[in-house]
This record gives sequence, C-alpha cells and structure tokens, in this order.
Amino acid sequence: DIQMTQSPSTLSASVGDRVTITCRASQSISSWLAWYQQKPGKAPKLLIYKASSLESGVPSRFSGSGSGTEFTLTISSLQPDDFATYYCQQYNTYLLLTFGGGTKVEIK
Amino acid sequence: EVQLVQSGAEVKKPGESLKISCKGSGYNFTSFWIAWVRQMPGKGLEWMGIIYPGDSHTIYSPSFEGQVTISADKSINTAYLQWSSLKASDTAMYYCARSVVVASYFDSWGQGTLVTVSS
Repeated sequence: DIQMTQSPSTLSASVGDRVTITCRASQSISSWLAWYQQKPGKAPKLLIYKASSLESGVPSRFSGSGSGTEFTLTISSLQPDDFATYYCQQYNTYLLLTFGGGTKVEIK
Repeated sequence: EVQLVQSGAEVKKPGESLKISCKGSGYNFTSFWIAWVRQMPGKGLEWMGIIYPGDSHTIYSPSFEGQVTISADKSINTAYLQWSSLKASDTAMYYCARSVVVASYFDSWGQGTLVTVSS
C-alpha cells in the first residue's frame, strides 16, 4: 500500500497569509496526485490534479507542485472562503487509491 | 451540468441490510467510473472501491472486499453500495465520486449519504 502523510494536521492562519501544506508518499507516485478541499457537512471538491494542474473554476491563488514522493499545496493569499480541511490523494495504482489524513486550516 | 445525486440518510440496526444509491446525470454514465468513499465521523477519506457502469467491472479496496457490494444499473444511470449485515462500525458518511479512468482523481462528487447503525 502507498501511504500518504500530510503535514501539518492543523494550521492556524490569517486572511492574506501564504499557506503551504505538504503531502508525502511512502513510495514514488510520479505526478499522480490530487488535492481536495472539504468544508463541514459538504462533499470534497477537486482543486488540483496531476500534482500541479488547476481544476477549471478553481481560483488561481491555489497551486500545487512536486513529484515523486513530496508534494505541496499553496494558497498564495488566504481568503475567508478557504478555511476548510484539505486532503491529498494518490492515484498511482488502481489497486488501492489512498488519501492523506487531512490538514485543517483554521482562523488564527 | 454533471450531477451525482445520492439517496437520503438511513438509520439502521446492527444486522440489517442496506442499499444506498448514486444517480448520475449530465454526462454519459457508462463512460466514467464511479467510486465509493467512506468518511467516518470526524475522520478522513477512505476509498472503498470502484465500478465501471458500462460493463460493471468492479475493483474493491482490500479493506472493504467482502464487507460491501458495489453494483450499477446502467439503464437508470445509478450505482449502488450495499451491506448484507450492518455493524455499528459502518456508521459513516458515504460519498460516490466520478473518475475518467480507474486510477484517477475524482472530478465530481455526490452530496453524501449518512448511514447510522445503532441498536
């Protein structure tokens, strides 16, 4: 199984801050990584796929980078609507798709 | 507009059976995969398995194989997740989600079905 480890698990930040979330894979997954945003009581929403491709309609303040085993999601200037939990997901193998444990972005 | 609409919340007793549904619209239902994802209360996301409605080819996560059954009826654009004997530990929110290929990201999600199992 490919394990996905996110850090930090919780992040306190203010509106306007630059925020970076890290996701590490237990083995190389090339660029087969997606990022999702989930708000309380709602389904996850796709933000980034193939490590750095922005999903249509997602604000450009969101960006993704990385390959192999280390990936980052960056929010360039945190907005009030961005307080949520973020998950990474690897799709290197169809035998077992796995998600990271999540990073909750809270208001400082 | 692509939509996945799931069936409503369920409250069941341990040992009971259950089948929840996910109806797709706004796209060719038989040309995309539908996955099921579990989220236990206060926890993260777990991929349970995936089905291709075009031919009902199904792949299960090892953690869920034998515990649930995933199926689809392409004539009514609907995928299903079912249990034959629920346990209290099955209490969770269940999401269906669409992907273009079997190993992929999920670009559209259902609203979720909350399943509560309690005596």
